Amino acid sequence: AQKVTQAQTEISVVEKEDVTLDCVYETRDTTYYLFWYKQPPSGELVFLIRRNSFDEQNEISGRYSWNFQKSTSSFNFTITASQVVDSAVYFCALVAHYGFGNEKLTFGTGTRLTIIP
Amino acid sequence: DTEVTQTPKHLVMGMTNKKSLKCEQHMGHRAMYWYKQKAKKPPELMFVYSYEKLSINESVPSRFSPECPNSSLLNLHLHALQPEDSALYLCASSQDFVAQEAFFGQGTRLTVV
Repeated sequence: AQKVTQAQTEISVVEKEDVTLDCVYETRDTTYYLFWYKQPPSGELVFLIRRNSFDEQNEISGRYSWNFQKSTSSFNFTITASQVVDSAVYFCALVAHYGFGNEKLTFGTGTRLTIIP
Repeated sequence: DTEVTQTPKHLVMGMTNKKSLKCEQHMGHRAMYWYKQKAKKPPELMFVYSYEKLSINESVPSRFSPECPNSSLLNLHLHALQPEDSALYLCASSQDFVAQEAFFGQGTRLTVV
């Protein structure tokens, strides 16, 4: 079974501050994929990143960076110099590879991020 | 075109009504999904279509009936719903399987009265 834990339910920071969203996952599979999605108030989920279990290299994309550590089963997301437009609910998600056609995206409970102007 | 379009955006229906939700994508994706999302909760998978065939049904009640008429369209037929079915219904698609970037629509906000 797969499980994703996002312990931070809500976070508020003042604009321009850095903020890190935590994600801890559980899976018995050796092959799996981790994702981050952003859900703004408009409702759609926006894909941010995908990382496979064999690639522990950290990634930076503009103000966003991700820290993947298999040793602690964590895939944390940092926003640098936060902006009001970053306000949204952020979901971490996991897909474990257990058979074509049977993969399921398991979401964490989400972290509601509010950036205060 | 990297959009998944869902219609209608809002729907209010009575418990005896029959209605349908529609989802459309023109990215050539062969996997399409229906999710249900209650307020302040993560999306919950309902159905997965892979190459126009139903591959996953997450034990969804029969009052929800999915249909995939072609590779670009996904419908969700609703009948005899309950008030607890009120939620945001999200459609998504990906190239051909789940462990890929999924594109989501903005959802249909359904209220059952």
